[in-house]
Amino acid sequence: DQQVKQNSPSLSVQEGRISILNCDYTNSMFDYFLWYKKYPAEGPTFLISISSIKDKNEDGRFTVFLNKSAKHLSLHIVPSQPGDSAVYFCAASDMEYGNKLVFGAGTILRVKS
Amino acid sequence: ETGVTQTPRHLVMGMTNKKSLKCEQHLGHNAMYWYKQSAKKPLELMFVYNFKEQTENNSVPSRFSPECPNSSHLFLHLHTLQPEDSALYLCASSHPDRGDYGYTFGSGTRLTVV
Repeated sequence: DQQVKQNSPSLSVQEGRISILNCDYTNSMFDYFLWYKKYPAEGPTFLISISSIKDKNEDGRFTVFLNKSAKHLSLHIVPSQPGDSAVYFCAASDMEYGNKLVFGAGTILRVKS
Repeated sequence: ETGVTQTPRHLVMGMTNKKSLKCEQHLGHNAMYWYKQSAKKPLELMFVYNFKEQTENNSVPSRFSPECPNSSHLFLHLHTLQPEDSALYLCASSHPDRGDYGYTFGSGTRLTVV
């Protein structure tokens, strides 16, 4: 049973437009959420995070939104750039029980120039 | 260079072979992890070590045997693997005691079992 779901395997966006990647979770105990970015032949790298006490966190072109009632978070990239083309993984954890991260299956983002 | 180094980057092994994957971090982290990434599937947590002690074995078959001799090094010993074990094996580290709940990943070992 997947506790973190990324239902869109891939997304294609035009350069300069907004990319929106979605993530849903089922475990109401999750209280910390992260997005990782992965290029081919490299390990995932941390992008941005949000704790459950917030509903928005922004870092440059990247913004993560959290809707706790819907158990949904999203990553917005504005404006999208070709270098953003990668696999994006959503991850969640329950900090009270340690920091084991549960990952989604990832979404492949392609930004077309 | 992410601070977490994995060797080898690629490994091809037969089903009767024994091999080991190595992971090393010098970030001062006290927790290390092995994850498996198969195509189109979530990253699957395999093992967790906190302060060199194994705290999680996520129902991993015994043909995978982890070893953590100190807080900077982590190994995954492999023997009599199956072709379905072919995947990208990722090592990660973190320091949850510092409130650092994110992981730093290595670049992974691409394993092919023939």
